[in-house]
Amino acid sequence: DQQVKQNSPSLSVQEGRISILNCDYTNSMFDYFLWYKKYPAEGPTFLISISSIKDKNEDGRFTVFLNKSAKHLSLHIVPSQPGDSAVYFCAASGGGSNYKLTFGKGTLLTVNP
Amino acid sequence: DGGITQSPKYLFRKEGQNVTLSCEQNLNHDAMYWYRQDPGQGLRLIYYSQIVNDFQKGDIAEGYSVSREKKESFPLTVTSAQKNPTAFYLCASSLTGSHSYEQYFGPGTRLTVT
Repeated sequence: DQQVKQNSPSLSVQEGRISILNCDYTNSMFDYFLWYKKYPAEGPTFLISISSIKDKNEDGRFTVFLNKSAKHLSLHIVPSQPGDSAVYFCAASGGGSNYKLTFGKGTLLTVNP
Repeated sequence: DGGITQSPKYLFRKEGQNVTLSCEQNLNHDAMYWYRQDPGQGLRLIYYSQIVNDFQKGDIAEGYSVSREKKESFPLTVTSAQKNPTAFYLCASSLTGSHSYEQYFGPGTRLTVT
């Protein structure tokens, strides 16, 4: 039972345009969401997060939107750059004293020059 | 520099042998985690520890064992009972307490068992 789903295995965009990566979750106990970026043969690096009490969080070119009623979040990258090409993982946590993260399967973003 | 180190980067073993993967952190984080990544599978949690001398099974703990004798160290042993040990293994750590969900990852160890 996959609790965090990234239904698009890959996404290709042109440099300078917007990249939108999507993530859906099924567990209503999740109250904190994170996005990680991963290059091949390296560990993931934390990008941006959002608490369930918010619907938007922005950090530079990266914005995460959360729609709790739809159990959906998205990561917007504007403008996209070739260096953004990587696999992006969505992750969720149930809060409380349990710090476990549940990850989606990832979306490979390719930004073409 | 603060961070997480995993060694070695690449590891090769024969089937039937146990192998231990190293993970060290100097971030003063209480919690540490082990994940494995397989192609198209995302990251799956093997074991985690929120405090020294205590650890819990994750989603795919069978065939693995861990210890947490020091705050800085969380070694993972892949035993001969693990049916598909070849994978990319990632160690992570985090603070505990409110708003401490960000996990910081090491560079990973690619284990190949033949």
